[in-house]
Amino acid sequence: GAVVSQHPSWVICKSGTSVKIECRSLDFQATTMFWYRQFPKQSLMLMATSNEGSKATYEQGVEKDKFLINHASLTLSTLTVTSAHPEDSSFYICSASYNSPLHFGNGTRLTVT
Amino acid sequence: DAKTTQPNSMESNEEEPVHLPCNHSTISGTDYIHWYRQLPSQGPEYVIHGLTSNVNNRMASLAIAEDRKSSTLILHRATLRDAAVYYCIFSPGGGADGLTFGKGTHLIIQP
Repeated sequence: GAVVSQHPSWVICKSGTSVKIECRSLDFQATTMFWYRQFPKQSLMLMATSNEGSKATYEQGVEKDKFLINHASLTLSTLTVTSAHPEDSSFYICSASYNSPLHFGNGTRLTVT
Repeated sequence: DAKTTQPNSMESNEEEPVHLPCNHSTISGTDYIHWYRQLPSQGPEYVIHGLTSNVNNRMASLAIAEDRKSSTLILHRATLRDAAVYYCIFSPGGGADGLTFGKGTHLIIQP
């Protein structure tokens, strides 16, 4: 149980376009989900906390207008990278809490050309 | 930020026990100690967590020092599939908040 699914697992887009990443809790409800970003050979960095039915909370230094988060239901949060640029290329990972530990999706590798 | 100190990398042989250390000298009395691991190109996977007492589950054991300023993750019999980056994290509560990841320990398993 406690499966978190991310889609797509990888995406390539052109500079200036927007990309949406979905994060679903498959067998539990998640009022809160978390979005992380990981650059090659680095650790995960928490970007934002996604709250169902309210605005997301962004970590310092993360542009909220660039990384749009929507958590419209108890099982779905989406991260939209708007006007993507090559420096946004990264591994994006979502997570949700169920019975204490965080459960993570398998990540989305974004490449912006 | 919740700071932990872990060795950058460790190497072990297959089918031998592995002890992964973590120092967390700034931990408070109500912070839980969490361990996650991450295989290449995958999201992190929960391993174990605890507060004060030693903890065991099907994946590993967690030994927590009496002063709680350090802990050790024990893999009783390493397999090649245990090769991963292991993260030790402490945070308030059992994990309902976003966790702050450090650099972790890259565990290499030799066949």
